[in-house]
Amino acid sequence: GAGVSQTPSNKVTEKGKYVELRCDPISGHTALYWYRQSLGQGPEFLIYFQGTGAADDSGLPNDRFFAVRPEGSVSTLKIQRTERGDSAVYLCASSLRGWIAGGGNEQFFGPGTRLTVL
Amino acid sequence: QQQVKQSPQSLIVQKGGISIINCAYENTAFDYFPWYQQFPGKGPALLIAIRPDVSEKKEGRFTISFNKSAKQFSLHIMDSQPGDSATYFCAAPAANYGGATNKLIFGTGTLLAVQP
Repeated sequence: GAGVSQTPSNKVTEKGKYVELRCDPISGHTALYWYRQSLGQGPEFLIYFQGTGAADDSGLPNDRFFAVRPEGSVSTLKIQRTERGDSAVYLCASSLRGWIAGGGNEQFFGPGTRLTVL
Repeated sequence: QQQVKQSPQSLIVQKGGISIINCAYENTAFDYFPWYQQFPGKGPALLIAIRPDVSEKKEGRFTISFNKSAKQFSLHIMDSQPGDSATYFCAAPAANYGGATNKLIFGTGTLLAVQP
């Protein structure tokens, strides 16, 4: 596709429910990232995939959060037992390559999924 | 926790004026500093980025200046226009302590309003 796409654009759920957020990266991009953005803040890193594997998941806040990228393209961020504090915009980004020093690693963001936990 | 400090938090500039936003970083794995522009309800859009081989990069009305010794970099928007009104974020690569990572640490953002 022309850019990174994310679905749904908005998700409202109740506390304790399970949600899945989907990201379609730019075609041919090998690296994929998830960030979370709270109101009035900058994006906060969650996890980074190089191909199918999670190269860095140090930003996942706890074990309720999990992400997969089984075929090295589309990724799904999964949140179990949602809490009100999980409410935020979840952003996905992709880059042509992974390692910053190598170049071609500019991260391009999707429009985000606004998650609201009631 | 690694931080990127961004200032000012908000900025009001008259049309045609110069907008200046500053960022300071701590340690970083690699000298690559991108700036992102974000409009309400949209994802951040890459505006301009600088790599370590230069201390300044200019693209149209946008210029990044980089001071490695001070660990600071800044964005200058010349001839600011009302359409530039948005939130601007600087970012820096996370320090890499032995592992390969490509994550960015973002500043807290600057809300720019350009008055006509």
